[in-house]
Amino acid sequence: QVQLVQSGAEVRKPGASVRVSCKPSGYSLSDTYVHWVRQAPGQGLEWMGWIGSKSGDTKYAQKFVGRIAMTRDTSITTFYMELTRLTSDDTAMYYCARSSFCDVWGQGTLVTVSS
Amino acid sequence: ETVLTQSPGTLSLSPGERATLSCRASQSVTSNYLAWYQQRPGQAPRLLIYGASTRVTGIPDRFSGSGSGTDFTLTISRLEPEDFAVYYCQQYRSSPQVFGQGTKLEI
Repeated sequence: QVQLVQSGAEVRKPGASVRVSCKPSGYSLSDTYVHWVRQAPGQGLEWMGWIGSKSGDTKYAQKFVGRIAMTRDTSITTFYMELTRLTSDDTAMYYCARSSFCDVWGQGTLVTVSS
Repeated sequence: ETVLTQSPGTLSLSPGERATLSCRASQSVTSNYLAWYQQRPGQAPRLLIYGASTRVTGIPDRFSGSGSGTDFTLTISRLEPEDFAVYYCQQYRSSPQVFGQGTKLEI
C-alpha cells in the first residue's frame, strides 16, 4: 500500500524554524514530484511548492520564497520541508503529497506557532 | 498566476440529490490539467478526478468531472451521506499549482 508518513506535531515560538519530514512507503523513489500543501485552521488548501524526487529541483510559491527550503535525503528516501521566521500565521496542518496531481497524501503534521 | 474560483461557496442538498460544483479559471488550463479533491473533516484531501474527467481507481462512478479551458464541473449524481464534505479544484499545468477556495457540500 502506497503511503506517505509524516513526522509528528510541532510547537514553535515566533521567529523560530520548523522542519517537517515525509517518508514514502510502498513505492520506490522514481522521477516524480513531492508537493507540500498547508491548511490553516478552518481555511482552504494552500500550495507551497514541489521538489523533484530524482533531480532535487524545487519550485516554491512566491509568498514563501526566502524562508522555505524543500530537500530530500535519497539515502533514507525522506523528504523535508523547512520553514523559517515563523509567525502565528504559519499555524497550520502541513501535508506532503505525491505526483503532479496529488494522488497520495501524507496524514498531515500540525505546526503550532505560539509565544 | 491562474486564479481558480469555485462556486457556490456552500451547497445545501439532501442524500439522493444531484450536486453540481463549478470551478472557473482566470486563464485557460491547458491540456485540462485540472484535479478535484474531497476533504472530510479531520482528514487529508483525497484525489477524485484528474485530467478534468478521469476518475481515480476506486472512486464511485457517481462522481464525474467535465469541462475544458476555463470552466470545469464536478458532478455527484446521487448524493450519499459520506459525500458531504469540502471539495477543491486545483490546476497542475504550471506553478503555482493553485487550489480553488473550496465548496462545502452540506446536508
